[in-house]
Amino acid sequence: KQEVTQIPAALSVPEGENLVLNCSFTDSAIYNLQWFRQDPGKGLTSLLLIQSSQREQTSGRLNASLDKSSGRSTLYIAASQPGDSATYLCAVRNTGANSKLTFGKGITLSVRP
Amino acid sequence: NAGVTQTPKFQVLKTGQSMTLQCAQDMNHEYMSWYRQDPGMGLRLIHYSVGAGITDQGEVPNGYNVSRSTTEDFPLRLLSAAPSQTSVYFCASSYRAWYGYTFGSGTRLTVV
Repeated sequence: KQEVTQIPAALSVPEGENLVLNCSFTDSAIYNLQWFRQDPGKGLTSLLLIQSSQREQTSGRLNASLDKSSGRSTLYIAASQPGDSATYLCAVRNTGANSKLTFGKGITLSVRP
Repeated sequence: NAGVTQTPKFQVLKTGQSMTLQCAQDMNHEYMSWYRQDPGMGLRLIHYSVGAGITDQGEVPNGYNVSRSTTEDFPLRLLSAAPSQTSVYFCASSYRAWYGYTFGSGTRLTVV
């Protein structure tokens, strides 16, 4: 059974810091890994999708890496801003007929002005 | 292109009542899923579908039914609501197995 872990559960940093959010998973038989952002009381917004054959993806100040063999992904946020405050969720999509998505519990990020 | 549309956004039910949470997508996505999100538990898969006419159970299916008669719609039925079903429910869809998922904005359900 796939298990996805995100540690720590919460993080508070001053504005301007470069951040690394970690995600680990137990089963490397995946199609892809997706990072989401969730604001309080809102839905999930997809940030980055990395296919299993890829090493990284970039979008603006965000960069996500994937090391499938070790079961790890990182989300790098450059020059953090208060507007980056949210919960960041990592999800992996298993191979197989059902190709289900399994989520970590998320990291709640607070960026202090 | 409206994406994934969930209705209603908020609902209060009494214990024992039944209701249907609606989910529709206009992107011709094969895969559709229902999740519930609870504090400390994260997102848990309730039911999913890999195409019209094909559904299967996820991690927490008890008390819920689904059907997928069309590609576009994937309703979630609560048969007899219980306070333990108080949660935020998300519907999601994906075009193919190797594509990313798109989520709806959620339904906040309270069972009293």
